[in-house]
Amino acid sequence: DGGITQSPKYLFRKEGQNVTLSCEQNLNHDAMYWYRQDPGQGLRLIYYSQIVNDFQKGDIAEGYSVSREKKESFPLTVTSAQKNPTAFYLCASRPTGLGYGYTFGSGTRLTVV
Amino acid sequence: LAKTTQPISMDSYEGQEVNITCSHNNIATNDYITWYQQFPSQGPRFIIQGYKTKVTNEVASLFIPADRKSSTLSLPRVSLSDTAVYYCLVGDMEPGGATNKLIFGTGTLLAVQP
Repeated sequence: DGGITQSPKYLFRKEGQNVTLSCEQNLNHDAMYWYRQDPGQGLRLIYYSQIVNDFQKGDIAEGYSVSREKKESFPLTVTSAQKNPTAFYLCASRPTGLGYGYTFGSGTRLTVV
Repeated sequence: LAKTTQPISMDSYEGQEVNITCSHNNIATNDYITWYQQFPSQGPRFIIQGYKTKVTNEVASLFIPADRKSSTLSLPRVSLSDTAVYYCLVGDMEPGGATNKLIFGTGTLLAVQP
C-alpha cells in the first residue's frame, strides 16, 4: 500500500543534541512538507519542498534543517538551536496538480529530556 | 494567504447531522477549500475538497456559496468515532501556485456524545 512513513514514532533527545526525523513516501508525490503541532494548537509549517534538491522555509524554520536528495525522502533535522523542540512533528506530501489534498504520516513525538 | 475562521468547539449527539461553518473572506480566485479530520496523536486525514457549489463524497458534503467567502462541512448522522478536530483550509492548489501550501488554524473540536 502507498503511504507516508515517519520514524521513529517516539523520540527522546538530550538538550544540545541534534536529532533527525525520517519521512519516506512511496506515493510518487512531488511536494513534501514538515509541520509542527503543539498541544491544543494547529499545525505550523516548518519547511516544504516542491521538487528534488529544492526546499523553502515555512513560518517557523529557525532551528530546523531539511534536505531533499531523493523524491521519496524528506528528513528533518532538529538542531540544538531550536529552543523549544518538544512537539508532535508531522510530515505530509501531495502530488503536483490541481485540487489534490495532502497525505499525512502518523507523526513523530519528540521530547527533550 | 487566505485566513480562515471557524468555531473552536461544537457538541453533538450520535445520529445527528453536524454542520461546521468556516469563514474565509479574502479567498483568492485560485484557492480551493479543503477540510481535514485529526484524531489525537495522528496525522490529519483528508475529508473533502471543493471550489464552488456543492461537493459530496462517501463521508461528507461541502457547501460553498456563490461568493465563496464561507463554506460548510456537513457530516450526516455522526457517531462517537467522529469526535475529532476538523480543520478548514484555503489554498492555491495550482502547480507552482502563489502559495502551493496550506496553512492550518486551530480547527474545530467536535465532541459527539451518546
